[in-house]
Amino acid sequence: GENVEQHPSTLSVQEGDSAVIKCTYSDSASNYFPWYKQELGKGPQLIIDIRSNVGEKKDQRIAVTLNKTAKHFSLHITETQPEDSAVYFCAASPYRSGGGADGLTFGKGTHLIIQP
Amino acid sequence: DAGITQSPRHKVTETGTPVTLRCHQTENHRYMYWYRQDPGHGLRLIHYSYGVKDTDKGEVSDGYSVSRSKTEDFLLTLESATSSQTSVYFCATVPGQGNYGYTFGSGTRLTVV
Repeated sequence: GENVEQHPSTLSVQEGDSAVIKCTYSDSASNYFPWYKQELGKGPQLIIDIRSNVGEKKDQRIAVTLNKTAKHFSLHITETQPEDSAVYFCAASPYRSGGGADGLTFGKGTHLIIQP
Repeated sequence: DAGITQSPRHKVTETGTPVTLRCHQTENHRYMYWYRQDPGHGLRLIHYSYGVKDTDKGEVSDGYSVSRSKTEDFLLTLESATSSQTSVYFCATVPGQGNYGYTFGSGTRLTVV
């Protein structure tokens, strides 16, 4: 089955600086790579995702890059703000045509701390 | 996650008792999933469903069963709860038909004593 490794487990950055979280995956059949943000006491919330036919995707201060050859993908957050403090999870999955899947495999999470 | 309701939100139960957690969605999403979240393990898939009465096992399915008799409801049952099943349980749904985004519920915190 798929195995997703995520680093670092904790990341502390100064407000306004950039943060980068990296993930690697093992299954070459995986073709969908989402990132989730989880705040304390809440369920994970999708913040950005990328499919394997795209190398990079941006949404305002957030970007994700994918290197299929190396089987790794990264989340980049620029101009970090206090509200970015949360736990971030990467995930991977092979998707069937028509949507749906056998379930995402998640990394173990990164606790991002934004220092004022 | 306004369209997904998990119940109960918190539960304390004794070892050996059966427990059922409920996930209710109003989005008419085809795919539904149960995950558990534990410190140091992230989120792990327990069971999932492709449609009514169509379910399959995930990575950590031992000790759990599921049922989906209606599109909107996906039930997770712990047949005989053990302390190792103390966890936070999340339900998630996916629309399908090219829309891959998972929407998670707010979770159920289960403590087995």
